[in-house]
Amino acid sequence: QSVLTQPPSVSGAPGQRVTISCTGGSSNIGAGYDVNWYQQLPGTAPKLLIHGNSNRPSGVPDRFSGSKSGTSASLAITGLQAEDEGDYYCQSYDGSLSATVFGGGTKLTVL
Amino acid sequence: EVQLVESGGGLVQPGRSLRLSCAASGFTFDDYALHWVRQAPGKGLEWVSGISWHSNTVDYADSVRGRFTISRDNAKNSLYLQMNSLRAEDTALYYCAKGGSGSPRGGWFDPWGQGTLVTVSS
Repeated sequence: QSVLTQPPSVSGAPGQRVTISCTGGSSNIGAGYDVNWYQQLPGTAPKLLIHGNSNRPSGVPDRFSGSKSGTSASLAITGLQAEDEGDYYCQSYDGSLSATVFGGGTKLTVL
Repeated sequence: EVQLVESGGGLVQPGRSLRLSCAASGFTFDDYALHWVRQAPGKGLEWVSGISWHSNTVDYADSVRGRFTISRDNAKNSLYLQMNSLRAEDTALYYCAKGGSGSPRGGWFDPWGQGTLVTVSS
């Protein structure tokens, strides 16, 4: 059972917009700790997609955006492309656990 | 280019020990926290441990506390994970990742190494 809750899967057609939610609690996201997002394409190491809730590292397309509100965060992907298919993880810090925590991951399928 | 290369994985019997290493290059090593994150076959990411730039702050996941020890050698640009009393459930691909700041508490992981596979089985 992950501290951060993500939907197991989402899907969308090419060109569409999808969102992935990440729900935490008062000791992690709700406590003000930042949320970061990672993309893991099949057979590869995770790659940082969004840091500090809504900041894109250089090289990440602006089709990817992040937001945070209260005890939840969201990753939005617009203009879906076939190469976006993979697993997406949210990550934050939990002050009560004194530990970094990940969501369980969301598998994105491009139909 | 920032690069992290893990090594030391392999097949080990339950109850035995293994030491993982991560060689870093392309950045000022002693400015940043470092982390170990693992991924069991077909499963999600699990944070294992993090260490601050000066080794003064160290955190562990409950699942490994008391069995695993993280350390770093800033003179050698290297990160280590000593794993004792290994269990079948420790079987995973172990990634080394650079933190976004000197503290392992909060912040992001970028980049990640390619991982080293640890298999615990008799």
